Amino acid sequence: EIVMTQSPATLSVSPGERATLSCRASQSISSNLAWYQQKPGQALRLLIYDASTRATGIPARFSGSGSGTEFTLTISSLQSEDFAVYYCQQNNNWPLTFGGGTKVEIK
Amino acid sequence: EVQLVESGGGVVRPGGSLRLSCAASGFTFDDYGMSWVRQAPGKGLEWVSGINWNGGSIGYADSVKGRFTISRDSAKNSLYLQMNSLRDEDTALYHCARASMVRGIISWAFDIWGQGTMVAVSS
Repeated sequence: EIVMTQSPATLSVSPGERATLSCRASQSISSNLAWYQQKPGQALRLLIYDASTRATGIPARFSGSGSGTEFTLTISSLQSEDFAVYYCQQNNNWPLTFGGGTKVEIK
Repeated sequence: EVQLVESGGGVVRPGGSLRLSCAASGFTFDDYGMSWVRQAPGKGLEWVSGINWNGGSIGYADSVKGRFTISRDSAKNSLYLQMNSLRDEDTALYHCARASMVRGIISWAFDIWGQGTMVAVSS
């Protein structure tokens, strides 16, 4: 099973600032990585797939990068609606696995 | 509107069984792979099981293998999860999720999620 590790667990950021979230895989997953956003009471939202491709309707301030074992989600200028929990997920092999999540909170 | 709606959750005693359902609408169900993903209270996401478009490829997390069975019914546009021998650690919100399609090929990144149905295993 591929273990996904996200850091930091919590990120405190001021509105308008940049947020950088990290995700590491225990073995190479090529570019088979997705990022999701979770807000209370809402369905999970796919942000990024194939490590760097934005899903339909996702604003350009969200960007993904990386390949192999190291990946990054960057939110260029945080808006109030971006404060949420973010998960990475590898879809290279079954069983599919998720990272533990990064909570982005208001500083 | 593309939508997934789960049902069938509830409170069950350890060792008991439960069958979850997920009703899909707004898209051609037969074209997509589907999965169940769960989230224990206050915890992160855990993939439970997946099934490809025709049921020919099925996978399970080690934590549920041998106890849970995933299936789908194209006539009813529905996904199911039969859960047997339930344990305390199976307590979670169970989400149904659609695997995305990238350039006509299935990608196990999930582009549509349901709100979930809660399963509580307690004596």
